[in-house]
Amino acid sequence: AQSVTQLGSHVSVSEGALVLLRCNYSSSVPPYLFWYVQYPNQGLQLLLKYTSAATLVKGINGFEAEFKKSETSFHLTKPSAHMSDAAEYFCAVSDASGGSYIPTFGRGTSLIVHP
Amino acid sequence: DAGVIQSPRHEVTEMGQEVTLRCKPISGHDYLFWYRQTMMRGLELLIYFNNNVPIDDSGMPEDRFSAKMPNASFSTLKIQPSEPRDSAVYFCASSWRAGNEQFFGPGTRLTVL
Repeated sequence: AQSVTQLGSHVSVSEGALVLLRCNYSSSVPPYLFWYVQYPNQGLQLLLKYTSAATLVKGINGFEAEFKKSETSFHLTKPSAHMSDAAEYFCAVSDASGGSYIPTFGRGTSLIVHP
Repeated sequence: DAGVIQSPRHEVTEMGQEVTLRCKPISGHDYLFWYRQTMMRGLELLIYFNNNVPIDDSGMPEDRFSAKMPNASFSTLKIQPSEPRDSAVYFCASSWRAGNEQFFGPGTRLTVL
């Protein structure tokens, strides 16, 4: 069965600093990987996805993530944090190991941006 | 397309009352998902449908919870009777295929007093 681990329930950075949100997954078959963002009082929306093309995936709002098979990781980065990036971020993995491609979500990481 | 539509956005009810949450998925999406989000348990998948048929309801917490999808453009999640521990934000999401990205609605914030 697939699983997702997001290290750190909260990450705090200063405006302009590098953002790094960690995601590790377990999957016995090649997965699809996703990052979603949730702003306060809203639903989740897709930031970016990996579907076996380029290992470095670029998303919206300057975010990108790199698929590293050897490390089973899909960490999310942004070179320079902005106040508007403060939100909850969810990593999700989808594979066929359970007989379907229904995704499993991580517990989420709250990004706090200080001025 | 207007995206996934959920109603009501907020619901406050008393313990023991019946609660019905509604969802209209994006047209053409074959999969519909119901999630519950709480601080304690995070985002939990309750049930999902494929082409209006319930596929996996193993996440439904109790028999008090039920979900239906009478047609491709409408689904309901019902709680009867409601309890204070059901207080949460309930999301509906839809996707073209199981492995594709999901499109989430704005959620229904349920408070059971």
